[in-house]
Amino acid sequence: SAVISQKPSRDICQRGTSLTIQCQVDSQVTMMFWYRQQPGQSLTLIATANQGSEATYESGFVIDKFPISRPNLTFSTLTVSNMSPEDSSIYLCSVGSVTSGSYEQYFGPGTRLTVT
Amino acid sequence: GDSVTQMEGPVTLSEEAFLTINCTYTATGYPSLFWYVQYPGEGLQLLLKATKADDKGSNKGFEATYRKETTSFHLEKGSVQVSDSAVYFCALNMNAGNNRKLIWGLGTSLAVNP
Repeated sequence: SAVISQKPSRDICQRGTSLTIQCQVDSQVTMMFWYRQQPGQSLTLIATANQGSEATYESGFVIDKFPISRPNLTFSTLTVSNMSPEDSSIYLCSVGSVTSGSYEQYFGPGTRLTVT
Repeated sequence: GDSVTQMEGPVTLSEEAFLTINCTYTATGYPSLFWYVQYPGEGLQLLLKATKADDKGSNKGFEATYRKETTSFHLEKGSVQVSDSAVYFCALNMNAGNNRKLIWGLGTSLAVNP
């Protein structure tokens, strides 16, 4: 399984500012995903960030608000722009891989963001 | 569309009790099914999976069997421990080409008391 690290692990930010979250994987992966998880709730997919193509955003999420970079097969960033308190959440990086013919998805530890 | 429905929590059990967390799905094809666990303050970990009908996934004493006839993937453990206290998520993936998105249930919180 892939080992995924995220930076920062948590941050407290002022409204109107932006935060860039980094995701580093210990192996090369094609499929990478960014999720948001509100406290006590399930996961919401923000976008799929496959290397070599533009990120694909889910309904309700736009590139201007959540720009994503995917410069290589082991790294990605998600920026939360012009933050408001509603952006307070845990942001999770995830990678997908096919192992022995079956698909699995692995998650980073998350970035806990509080916007004041 | 494809969806996953989990039993609502929270579930509270005493140590050594039997655990069942129900999960049913709706899918137009033949999905792979997963259980993930999220311990307090941590990220999600893949607990177990099953890729075809009648497969049984198992890990750490947990089991779940892919039941196509009932479109279910219920999570069970014969004797829970305090350390099993966590949120459990059921998910599916449709194995459709490049579509590798997971469809998630809402999660079920489990608290195990000593």
